[in-house]
Amino acid sequence: EVQLVESGGGLVQPGGSLRLSCAASGFSFSGYWMHWVRQAPGKGLVWVSRINSYGSSTSYADSVKGRFTISRDNAKNTMYLQMNSLRVEDTGVYYCARGNEYGDALWYFDLWGRGTLVTVSS
Amino acid sequence: DIVMTQSPDSLAVSLGERATINCKSTQSVLYNSNNKNYLGWYQQKPGQPPKLLIYWASTRESGVPDRFSGSGSGTDFTLTISSLQAEDVAVYYCQQYYSTPPTFGQGTKVEIK
Repeated sequence: EVQLVESGGGLVQPGGSLRLSCAASGFSFSGYWMHWVRQAPGKGLVWVSRINSYGSSTSYADSVKGRFTISRDNAKNTMYLQMNSLRVEDTGVYYCARGNEYGDALWYFDLWGRGTLVTVSS
Repeated sequence: DIVMTQSPDSLAVSLGERATINCKSTQSVLYNSNNKNYLGWYQQKPGQPPKLLIYWASTRESGVPDRFSGSGSGTDFTLTISSLQAEDVAVYYCQQYYSTPPTFGQGTKVEIK
């Protein structure tokens, strides 16, 4: 089955860190751009970060630049999001999503995981 | 950043009737070199992740019922549900992927009247 499964969410204090994982199965993970998108409780969708198929090119939303790091391990079919210096406003469900299979970073998201909840609170 | 604005924020439609959602971008998302609009539509049901419905503004994703259609070009787009079914109750989002960062509209909640 083609799927993405996120894990690693939880409750963390402001200023703390978390590492999210996104495990892919059922498709050739190493060929795809991958993204993180978050959704605050009761709010809309906000793109967070993306990484190319090789892991050599990354991009971030201004709101997380310098605090979050995206990476991937194609041998493990897994993408990661290291989140440091977490803020209350980082609270939400974090989804991983699949982008383009080829070279173009600008693409729609055709496969989404079910998400993992991150709560930043004291 | 390109700002996406949807209208209305919510709408209630009778079963079998047409639902229309509009999406406007602050700049054109039409890429002239390939004549494609970098615009997608997603459906999110309560407690579920988003699901891709439409890409390139009007191409229906595999498995999506043909009552869903997308139209528009440049800065103005529309998602139409031709005959609303009970299972279509959801929040619908448009998204531009023309430039980084990709951005979403605020969402339109569709309910049954």
